[in-house]
Amino acid sequence: QQQVKQSPQSLIVQKGGISIINCAYENTAFDYFPWYQQFPGKGPALLIAIRPDVSEKKEGRFTISFNKSAKQFSLHIMDSQPGDSATYFCAARNERGSTLGRLYFGRGTQLTVWP
Amino acid sequence: NAGVTQTPKFQVLKTGQSMTLQCAQDMNHEYMSWYRQDPGMGLRLIHYSVGAGITDQGEVPNGYNVSRSTTEDFPLRLLSAAPSQTSVYFCASSYVRHVQETQYFGPGTRLLVL
Repeated sequence: QQQVKQSPQSLIVQKGGISIINCAYENTAFDYFPWYQQFPGKGPALLIAIRPDVSEKKEGRFTISFNKSAKQFSLHIMDSQPGDSATYFCAARNERGSTLGRLYFGRGTQLTVWP
Repeated sequence: NAGVTQTPKFQVLKTGQSMTLQCAQDMNHEYMSWYRQDPGMGLRLIHYSVGAGITDQGEVPNGYNVSRSTTEDFPLRLLSAAPSQTSVYFCASSYVRHVQETQYFGPGTRLLVL
């Protein structure tokens, strides 16, 4: 059972455009939502993360929007650049209980930004 | 700090062979985990550990064993390799009780089972 559902699977955006990746979850025990960025041949690396007590978090060109009632969150990349071309994973973590610390990942979105 | 290190970087096995993928971290992290990454499937958790001597299964544990005798090391053992285990394997570590602590991933081990 997929705990975190991510879409789209792939995304092609023109340079300067906005890239939007969406994720949804069901488990209301999740209370930490990071996004990871992975370049070919490398391990994933944390890009940005949000807690459910805020609806938005911005770091440079990257913004997470969080909708607690809809159990959805999304990554927006403003002014997308060719260097942003990578695979992006959303994730969720349950901070309590027997699965303490465990991350549940979406299946990833392969972003290509055309120059 | 070296962070999370994995060895080997590449490995080719024949069906039925066994091997151990090594993972080590020097950040004194409590939490360590193993994932496999396959096209279109994202990162799937194989096994994880919340401290030395404590391990638990993830979503795809069959065919793999782990142990955690020290905080630093978390080896993944393939008991009898199968072509379905061809994948890229990532080890990760983090603190458990820091709410916003990131998981740090190693560079991966690319495994081909013939």
